[in-house]
Amino acid sequence: DAKTTQPNSMESNEEEPVHLPCNHSTISGTDYIHWYRQLPSQGPEYVIHGLTSNVNNRMASLAIAEDRKSSTLILHRATLRDAAVYYCILRDVGRDDKIIFGKGTRLHILP
Amino acid sequence: KAGVTQTPRYLIKTRGQQVTLSCSPISGHRSVSWYQQTPGQGLQFLFEYFSETQRNKGNFPGRFSGRQFSNSRSEMNVSTLELGDSALYLCASSLDFRGNIQYFGAGTRLSVL
Repeated sequence: DAKTTQPNSMESNEEEPVHLPCNHSTISGTDYIHWYRQLPSQGPEYVIHGLTSNVNNRMASLAIAEDRKSSTLILHRATLRDAAVYYCILRDVGRDDKIIFGKGTRLHILP
Repeated sequence: KAGVTQTPRYLIKTRGQQVTLSCSPISGHRSVSWYQQTPGQGLQFLFEYFSETQRNKGNFPGRFSGRQFSNSRSEMNVSTLELGDSALYLCASSLDFRGNIQYFGAGTRLSVL
């Protein structure tokens, strides 16, 4: 499975945008980029996913580099409830359901 | 729509015992996956079931087993518990096995004494 690299931790101020980077230089053409997050004392939850084009939903935006070797999860206006571990994952959709999680980025939000 | 339900939420066992954890997926979801989360190893994939068949298995010893019933509910069993089996066990469900969005339960926290 292709691997992703994320910073161990990041800090951001409340009500400011947050850009969470992810490198995936060995991504294959059929890999989708998925983001999940895990809030304290909860199971992971889906945030967003994309293949080539940038994606937006009510939670976040996903910006994907043209060569697909990196991507950025954007939280437009961070709140204290966004403090979580964010996982960037590559999934070969259509093959199986298992998710290979990395260490993720622990996001701290400062009030 | 009810989410993924895992029971029990907390469990305390002693070494050598066995344990069975239960997972009820979201209605209509036919794929169930299990994960183990520990502070040292993070989130690790255990197994994946679809239509009562195990489709994938992670790198865990044979003491870890699972099954899925015809109503898509799933159980996982750990026999001969070891201290290192203390972890949060998470179940996730999705529509099918094709890499759709997975919805996770809150987990079962297992402590082995």
